Amino acid sequence: AQKVTQAQTEISVVEKEDVTLDCVYETRDTTYYLFWYKQPPSGELVFLIRRNSFDEQNEISGRYSWNFQKSTSSFNFTITASQVVDSAVYFCALGRNTPLVFGKGTRLSVIA
Amino acid sequence: GAVVSQHPSRVICKSGTSVKIECRSLDFQATTMFWYRQFPKQSLMLMATSNEGSKATYEQGVEKDKFLINHASLTLSTLTVTSAHPEDSSFYICSARVGHLDMYTQYFGPGTRLTVL
Repeated sequence: AQKVTQAQTEISVVEKEDVTLDCVYETRDTTYYLFWYKQPPSGELVFLIRRNSFDEQNEISGRYSWNFQKSTSSFNFTITASQVVDSAVYFCALGRNTPLVFGKGTRLSVIA
Repeated sequence: GAVVSQHPSRVICKSGTSVKIECRSLDFQATTMFWYRQFPKQSLMLMATSNEGSKATYEQGVEKDKFLINHASLTLSTLTVTSAHPEDSSFYICSARVGHLDMYTQYFGPGTRLTVL
């Protein structure tokens, strides 16, 4: 069975601080995809990144970066110099040919 | 990325009535769409997988007679909540899968907030 664990339920940071959101997953598949989505207060899920299980290179996109560690089954997400607009719920998800399995999400509040 | 729309974005109805929610893929064809349900401050729970031209596959515990899914074309899937009750009040989100076999991403619609009085 596949499972995604986001142990941090809520995080509050002050603007400009860096923050890391943790994601740990379980799967028996050797090939799989990991995703991060952002859900702002409006409710719409915004796709942020997809990572193939064979690609362990870290990725950076502007203030966002992702650290994929297959050895520890983790796919952590770091926001550098956080901004108020980053306030949202962030979901980590796992899947391949099947519907995505989501973690419970981490609610990030960035305070000005 | 691919665009998925949902209509309506918000609906309030009386107990016992039926509500239809539409999910459309705007700039691509989606043979597979998914319907999720999200309660306040909780994660997304998969309700069913909708396949174009065939019956939907429901997750365990989801009543197929209550949540009717129709995927009549490659760009449209509908979810009908029949005889809605207050406990059906929730945020319903559809998702379309883009890509093929092992290379795919799920894009999500903006969601429909259903309130049953």
